[in-house]
Amino acid sequence: SQQGEEDPQALSIQEGENATMNCSYKTSINNLQWYRQNSGRGLVHLILIRSNEREKHSGRLRVTLDTSKKSSSLLITASRAADTASYFCGVSGNTPLVFGKGTRLSVIA
Amino acid sequence: DAGITQSPRHKVTETGTPVTLRCHQTENHRYMYWYRQDPGHGLRLIHYSYGVKDTDKGEVSDGYSVSRSKTEDFLLTLESATSSQTSVYFCATGSEGSTDTQYFGPGTRLTVL
Repeated sequence: SQQGEEDPQALSIQEGENATMNCSYKTSINNLQWYRQNSGRGLVHLILIRSNEREKHSGRLRVTLDTSKKSSSLLITASRAADTASYFCGVSGNTPLVFGKGTRLSVIA
Repeated sequence: DAGITQSPRHKVTETGTPVTLRCHQTENHRYMYWYRQDPGHGLRLIHYSYGVKDTDKGEVSDGYSVSRSKTEDFLLTLESATSSQTSVYFCATGSEGSTDTQYFGPGTRLTVL
């Protein structure tokens, strides 16, 4: 299965700290995407990184991709209480996105 | 999710009854998807569509059928609901290939008693 597996399952940090979450997968990919889900809402796309890219930035988000290790990381810098949410990686090969179970991030003010 | 609506947003039904969930989009996206989200399982793909009348199965398609007669509407039907189908159902759309960015609706919470 291509399913992404996020790690850790849950993460609790203080406001202003950085949050790092990881995603591992098993097969070759076209791209890997990160999504955020606030409680009771649908997923919102954050960033897409293609298999030939190693790093992408979007505001306070930094995503890295290491295809040799089949892993990606999402770094949120200077976290805010509003960043409290679940974060999912979606892995894309030749089929529609396959999502992991997510990382629950709690940012404490 | 401004251009994607799901109806109903909440539904309680009894085992054995048919249920149809509707996803409506105003984005003119070619691709549409149905997922279910359950604790401990994350998001799992049920069915998806790559055009009008063109659909394919996902990871957990048993017990579900779909139809897409218009670009803007994608229906998910549970022919005979079971308690194991109690879940939150999300519709998503995409304009490019099935491997590109998806845009999610607000979800439907379905409870099968």
